[in-house]
Amino acid sequence: DAGVIQSPRHEVTEMGQEVTLRCKPISGHNSLFWYRQTMMRGLELLIYFNNNVPIDDSGMPEDRFSAKMPNASFSTLKIQPSEPRDSAVYFCATGTNNSPLHFGNGTRLTVT
Amino acid sequence: ILNVEQSPQSLHVQEGDSTNFTCSFPSSNFYALHWYRWETAKSPEALFVMTLNGDEKKKGRISATLNTKEGYSYLYIKGSQPEDSATYLCAPFYSNYQLIWGAGTKLIIKP
Repeated sequence: DAGVIQSPRHEVTEMGQEVTLRCKPISGHNSLFWYRQTMMRGLELLIYFNNNVPIDDSGMPEDRFSAKMPNASFSTLKIQPSEPRDSAVYFCATGTNNSPLHFGNGTRLTVT
Repeated sequence: ILNVEQSPQSLHVQEGDSTNFTCSFPSSNFYALHWYRWETAKSPEALFVMTLNGDEKKKGRISATLNTKEGYSYLYIKGSQPEDSATYLCAPFYSNYQLIWGAGTKLIIKP
């Protein structure tokens, strides 16, 4: 198994541009979490899905952030428009109710 | 708001010494407890998932215990090695699908 696959690994973009982060979960995992890591706040939960349905999106910072999980094998996190304060490492993690989470390698986003 | 506390916040341990730290969490609607190890510039790596009161799990020199009635878990490291330096995160998982993360215990092993 290739594990949780995130793309891109690094993204550098200018303020105002749209950014799309992608995640491919491990096959069979029915829970998917998007996290953001910053120095100030540590690991922040943005949103999580169970069986492709968003369960809790209360961690999404504002309307500029949106996430979708159109099927069990793919999820996206979109920021539009991006701002410098969105710069962080974004992790996708997947699991099942009885298993630990498996994290992707993260996407390091820099917004200039 | 569910509050998960990990203590101590950071810990310096001499190489070869054993150590332990704590995770406290609300026990209502508890389903499972996750422990993760997180090294700088890497992704968190799962160590254990425990569900039953009195559960004890072991992985090499690292072990963990769980008390679901009083809402705490201990993580033990025996004979600490430099490669054990990392932040150890606990995260209780609840029956409403909430996974709540503690702030972590940062462990530094001094050679």
